[in-house]
Amino acid sequence: GENVEQHPSTLSVQEGDSAVIKCTYSDSASNYFPWYKQELGKGPQLIIDIRSNVGEKKDQRIAVTLNKTAKHFSLHITETQPEDSAVYFCAAKGIDDMRFGAGTRLTVKP
Amino acid sequence: NAGVTQTPKFRVLKTGQSMTLLCAQDMNHEYMYWYRQDPGMGLRLIHYSVGEGTTAKGEVPDGYNVSRLKKQNFLLGLESAAPSQTSVYFCASSYRVVGKNIQYFGAGTRLSVL
Repeated sequence: GENVEQHPSTLSVQEGDSAVIKCTYSDSASNYFPWYKQELGKGPQLIIDIRSNVGEKKDQRIAVTLNKTAKHFSLHITETQPEDSAVYFCAAKGIDDMRFGAGTRLTVKP
Repeated sequence: NAGVTQTPKFRVLKTGQSMTLLCAQDMNHEYMYWYRQDPGMGLRLIHYSVGEGTTAKGEVPDGYNVSRLKKQNFLLGLESAAPSQTSVYFCASSYRVVGKNIQYFGAGTRLSVL
């Protein structure tokens, strides 16, 4: 089955800086890659996703890039704000179920 | 429109006790899922359902059972709770869309087994 690895496990940045979180996957049949944000005491919420036929997708301050050949994808957050502080999960969906990475705790210091 | 609602929010069990976690969604989604979340391990799929009356095993199904008697409800049962089942449990639901799987999560149930 699919195996998703996520790095780093924790990330601390100054407000206004950029943050990058990287994930690798093992199943070449995976074709859908979402990113979820989980705030304290809440369930994960989708923030952006990308299909395997697209290399990059942007939505305001967040972007996701996908390298199918290398089997890795990344989340980029620019101009970080304190409200971006949360745990972020990547995921990959192949033929069967969707597998999640272990999560990255992002802290944005004011 | 409440989305995905999980009950209860918190529960403490003794080893060997049983309990049922309830998940309800009002978005008419076909698919529903139960995950557990443990520190450093992300979200792991326990069981899922692709429609009313159907269930399937996920990555970590042992010790759990599920039922989907109604489209809007998905129940997770622990017949004989063990300390290893101490975790935060999340329910999610999604539409059936080719090439995508946007899952909507509930707020979670924090379970402690003593």
